[in-house]
Amino acid sequence: DAGVIQSPRHEVTEMGQEVTLRCKPISGHDYLFWYRQTMMRGLELLIYFNNNVPIDDSGMPEDRFSAKMPNASFSTLKIQPSEPRDSAVYFCASGLGGTLSYEQYFGPGTRLTVT
Amino acid sequence: DQQVKQNSPSLSVQEGRISILNCDYTNSMFDYFLWYKKYPAEGPTFLISISSIKDKNEDGRFTVFLNKSAKHLSLHIVPSQPGDSAVYFCAASAGYGGATNKLIFGTGTLLAVQP
Repeated sequence: DAGVIQSPRHEVTEMGQEVTLRCKPISGHDYLFWYRQTMMRGLELLIYFNNNVPIDDSGMPEDRFSAKMPNASFSTLKIQPSEPRDSAVYFCASGLGGTLSYEQYFGPGTRLTVT
Repeated sequence: DQQVKQNSPSLSVQEGRISILNCDYTNSMFDYFLWYKKYPAEGPTFLISISSIKDKNEDGRFTVFLNKSAKHLSLHIVPSQPGDSAVYFCAASAGYGGATNKLIFGTGTLLAVQP
């Protein structure tokens, strides 16, 4: 398996522009997570899905952030409009349910820079 | 508020010596703890975990210790190798009524193993 795939790997955009980050989870995993990494706050969970349904979006910082999972093999995280403080590395992770539910497999991340 | 804290942003150790990374938590409902390792430009990868019913778990050179009364866990790496140089994240889960996949991460500790 190719692991969790994220695109793009790097994104540079201007303040006010819309940004869309993409994720393809590992086939067969029924949980998908979006995280944001910053120096100050470490890895923050933004939202997670189970079987394509959003379960907990309490970590989504503002209404400018939205996430969708239209099917089991694809998810997007959208920021509109983007702001400089959104600059961070965004990770997508997937995992199985059941007894192995704690272990999550991370993608390589998308480094977002908003100028 | 930061429920999982890693108070040492960085640690430098000589090759062959022991590395000890520390993590403190505040939520007494946490019942499962994990350590992830992250290399630059890559996503975090699972390293080792421990359930709250245990106080020690060992896997090769890596051992995690849990002190529930102190709400403290530590990761020991013996002997340390240059390839262990990475950022180490501590994570915890409270098994939120069946939603056991939600992990709370710390801010990470950068370990540098000097040859």
